[in-house]
Formats: sequence, C-alpha cells, structure tokens
Amino acid sequence: ETGVTQSPTHLIKTRGQQVTLRCSSQSGHNTVSWYQQALGQGPQFIFQYYREEENGRGNFPPRFSGLQFPNYSSELNVNALELDDSALYLCASSLAQGAYYGYTFGSGTRLTVV
Amino acid sequence: TQLLEQSPQFLSIQEGENLTVYCNSSSVFSSLQWYRQEPGEGPVLLVTVVTGGEVKKLKRLTFQFGDARKDSSLHITAAQPGDTGLYLCAGAGTGGFKTIFGAGTRLFVKA
Repeated sequence: ETGVTQSPTHLIKTRGQQVTLRCSSQSGHNTVSWYQQALGQGPQFIFQYYREEENGRGNFPPRFSGLQFPNYSSELNVNALELDDSALYLCASSLAQGAYYGYTFGSGTRLTVV
Repeated sequence: TQLLEQSPQFLSIQEGENLTVYCNSSSVFSSLQWYRQEPGEGPVLLVTVVTGGEVKKLKRLTFQFGDARKDSSLHITAAQPGDTGLYLCAGAGTGGFKTIFGAGTRLFVKA
C-alpha cells in the first residue's frame, strides 16, 4: 500500500508568479484535501476534491485552484503569489468519508515566496 | 465559524513524567482526531474518536472525547523522548467534508 506522495518537496518562487503542486493519493483513496500550514500554526483547509469535482472550500481566494484526475491524483495551483503564501502545503487523501475517520497526509511541499 | 483551541501551546518535560493536552471548542463535532507531526513531515493520524465519552488507549497514550463531543484530551503516561513532536487535534463537522485543526501543542521530552 503506497502512501501519499507530494512533489516537489521544496520550492522558491517570486511574488507574482504562479505555482503548481502535485499529489498522488494513497492507493484505494478517492478523495483529496489540501491544507496550508504556516509556521507555528495548525493546517488550514483550502479545498477538497471528490470524483474530480471541488467538494468544499475553506476561506481562500479564487487564485487558489485545484484539479483532480481520474486516477485520483490532484494538483493545487496558486496564481499571483504573495509573500503570505509562504507555507507548508499538505495533501491528504481519504475515502469519501475521510473527514469522519481521518486522513493520510503526504510530507508536504515547502513553498517560499520571495 | 468552528474553532479548536489547544492548550498548552508548548510543553517541555523530563522523561518519565505524565502530561495532558487539551482540545476545546464551542462547536459539536461528528468525530475528532489526534495527529502527531514531526518537523518536515505531514501529520500522522494517531486516533479517531466518534462517540461522546469515548476513551481510547494506544500504549501509553489515552484519548478521551467529551460527553458533548465539543472537547477532547490526550494523556501521555511516562513520556519518552520519542514522544517529542507537534500534537494536533482535528474536528470533523456535521457538514461532513471539512476537518478543522487546532494550532497544536508542541511537546519536548528531555532525556
């Protein structure tokens, strides 16, 4: 059973640029959730994808967008990067009721915006 | 807006001591999870509690869900340096799809 894989592990971008983060879900999991974790904080919910559709969104602006593919892998895209976007971005996979039973997280992508 | 407050924010103890971490909210959750996160890694699920008053034990860790399903506690007996890490509580709302996290308790166990 493979776990959740995220790429890249680290990334440095300039303010105003765009970035794409990738996530391969755990085998058998059909739901992917993305979280942003700033230094010293708990993870903040960005959005969730189920059956290739956005299935709920947290308090993040539209420049945060995502995709889920037929193999359940997912991408997080952030446009017009701001300095405050610097954080650890976590992907979590689960079955459809994952919010109830808990998630399997990847190791995250550390994004630094300069 | 659902919020989860964890206390204490930081705890530094000697090996062999006991400790309790608290997770409180004014909201009711359908389930509550505890995760442990180490530097540079994602959170790892320790336990899920779903029934008010439920108590679960995982070796030296004891988890309790409040009767009203608004709060939870994590008790560690005879802490070891390997218990060092960030402990996060997370609540799943009645809406189903969204899990919110507390800010975490950073535990450091000195040998």
